[in-house]
Amino acid sequence: DVKVTQSSRYLVKRTGEKVFLECVQDMDHENMFWYRQDPGLGLRLIYFSYDVKMKEKGDIPEGYSVSREKKERFSLILESASTNQTSMYLCASSLWGYNEQFFGPGTRLTVL
Amino acid sequence: DQQVKQNSPSLSVQEGRISILNCDYTNSMFDYFLWYKKYPAEGPTFLISISSIKDKNEDGRFTVFLNKSAKHLSLHIVPSQPGDSAVYFCAASSEGGATNKLIFGTGTLLAVQP
Repeated sequence: DVKVTQSSRYLVKRTGEKVFLECVQDMDHENMFWYRQDPGLGLRLIYFSYDVKMKEKGDIPEGYSVSREKKERFSLILESASTNQTSMYLCASSLWGYNEQFFGPGTRLTVL
Repeated sequence: DQQVKQNSPSLSVQEGRISILNCDYTNSMFDYFLWYKKYPAEGPTFLISISSIKDKNEDGRFTVFLNKSAKHLSLHIVPSQPGDSAVYFCAASSEGGATNKLIFGTGTLLAVQP
């Protein structure tokens, strides 16, 4: 069974803080993704990575950065959190060449 | 520009009846489609998929139909059960490249009434 875990289920931060969201997968998947889910907007891709130290911008990368130092771990960084980054953040992984992505449980981030 | 659209934000169905969730897409390069189911406070889970070389794929109570000429796919759930109540997302992908990015629709909230 593929398992994708995220470091926190709920997080509350203040405006301007630097925020780290961690994601770990245990199935040796090459591809990892970060999405945010907002009501009425579905899942929107922030960043993805297809290999260690490789990253590509998704559809809404502004205000975010990522880090992938090890194959199993993909971190999302909010350099200076803002209230419009309050959202559900979802991490996913997939095997190279396969479409099916496996998702973690999500992190509900609130920025005050 | 929304390439994958789910025009019905919500759907209510009686237990035992058929649920039909619809999805439209605009990009003719999409050649693989997936449906995900999401409960509140959980991540989406894969439900069923279909390649563009097929027009139907069935898995138990779930069937996905693809109409390429209309750029339309639908998910049928028969019979619907209260445990099917969730948000359903359709997603599309175009092959090529290692990452197989998915483009998601906005989701449809299905409520199955007992």
